[in-house]
Amino acid sequence: AQSVTQLGSHVSVSEGALVLLRCNYSSSVPPYLFWYVQYPNQGLQLLLKYTTGATLVKGINGFEAEFKKSETSFHLTKPSAHMSDAAEYFCAVSGKEYGNKLVFGAGTILRVKS
Amino acid sequence: NAGVTQTPKFRILKIGQSMTLQCTQDMNHNYMYWYRQDPGMGLKLIYYSVGAGITDKGEVPNGYNVSRSTTEDFPLRLELAAPSQTSVYFCASSSSLSGGEQFFGPGTRLTVL
Repeated sequence: AQSVTQLGSHVSVSEGALVLLRCNYSSSVPPYLFWYVQYPNQGLQLLLKYTTGATLVKGINGFEAEFKKSETSFHLTKPSAHMSDAAEYFCAVSGKEYGNKLVFGAGTILRVKS
Repeated sequence: NAGVTQTPKFRILKIGQSMTLQCTQDMNHNYMYWYRQDPGMGLKLIYYSVGAGITDKGEVPNGYNVSRSTTEDFPLRLELAAPSQTSVYFCASSSSLSGGEQFFGPGTRLTVL
C-alpha cells in the first residue's frame, strides 16, 4: 500500500531557529500533498497544500513547503520558530494511487524551547 | 458558520456498552469522514460518505457502523465497546474527495474500561 513517512516523531528547536519537518511519499505519481497542524486538545487545521503549479507553497503562520518530485518529498519549513508553533504536525497525501482518500503520516510533535 | 461540530467531547464507556458519536457540518459538503487518532499512529480512516445515503468502509471499520440520512449529519455508532476502541475520534468534511481541504471537528475522546 502507498504510504507517507514523516521522519522524526519529535523535533525540538529553539525560539527563533529554523523549523524543518520532513515528509516523503511512496507513490510513483505525484499525489496531492497537505500539511495539517493540531494544537493540544483541538482538531486538525490545514497549514498548506500542493495540488498543481508552483512547487513552493506558502501557508498560514509563516510556514512553507516545497514539493520535490525527484525526492518524493514535501518538507515543511519556517525560518524562525515561535513558541506558539508548538504543536503536532501531520503530512497527508491523497490521489488516485491512495484510493482518493487522505492518508496521514504518523505525525511530528514540534517543541519550541525558549 | 460553525463548521464541523462533534458531541460529546469526552465519554467513558464500560466494555460491551454501545454509543453514538454525533457529527454535524453546516458547509453543505457532500463528503464526510470519521477518523480515529492513536498516539504515534496518525489518523486512520474508519468510514466515509460521498453523499446522503452512501457510505463506505475505510481502513479500520471493524466494530463501527455509520449512517448518512442527511447531508449535514454523519453519526458513528460503536456496538459492544472494547478497550481497543479507546481513542480520539475526529469527524471531517470536504467539498471534494481528493485534492480538497478537509475540515475537522474538535474531536471526541473516548475511553473504554
